[in-house]
Amino acid sequence: DVKVTQSSRYLVKRTGEKVFLECVQDMDHENMFWYRQDPGLGLRLIYFSYDVKMKEKGDIPEGYSVSREKKERFSLILESASTNQTSMYLCATGGGGNTEAFFGQGTRLTVV
Amino acid sequence: GENVEQHPSTLSVQEGDSAVIKCTYSDSASNYFPWYKQELGKRPQLIIDIRSNVGEKKDQRIAVTLNKTAKHFSLHITETQPEDSAVYFCAASIGGGSNYKLTFGKGTLLTVNP
Repeated sequence: DVKVTQSSRYLVKRTGEKVFLECVQDMDHENMFWYRQDPGLGLRLIYFSYDVKMKEKGDIPEGYSVSREKKERFSLILESASTNQTSMYLCATGGGGNTEAFFGQGTRLTVV
Repeated sequence: GENVEQHPSTLSVQEGDSAVIKCTYSDSASNYFPWYKQELGKRPQLIIDIRSNVGEKKDQRIAVTLNKTAKHFSLHITETQPEDSAVYFCAASIGGGSNYKLTFGKGTLLTVNP
């Protein structure tokens, strides 16, 4: 079974804090993704990575950065959290070449 | 970039009826079209997918059709059951190599009434 694990299920942070969301996968997949899920807006791609230290901007990268130092770990960073970043964040991983993507359980982040 | 439109946003059916969800995509280079089901409080999970060299694919009560000319693909669920109630997302992907990314539609909330 593929395991994609996000470090926190729920997180509450203050405006202006630097926030780290961690995602770890155990399937040796090359591709990893960070999505944001909001009601009525679906899953929007923030950043993705196709190799260690390689990253690409998705559709809504503003206010976020990512880090991929090891193949199994992909981190999403909110440099200075704002209330409009309150959302559900989903990590996903895939083996590449138009194959199934597997999702983590999600982190519900609230910025107050 | 790719844009995926999904309709309807909500769909309510009676148990045993069929449900159809439709998606369109903008980039003719897209060549992989998965469908994900997300139950309340759970992560999205793949239920069926189709590649651009195939026009239709079935898996028990679920089928997906693809019209590349119209850039349109649809999910069909027959003999719906209450456990089919969930949010369904379509997606499109460009690229056959290692740098592919999935662009999702906004989702359809399907409610199956007993």
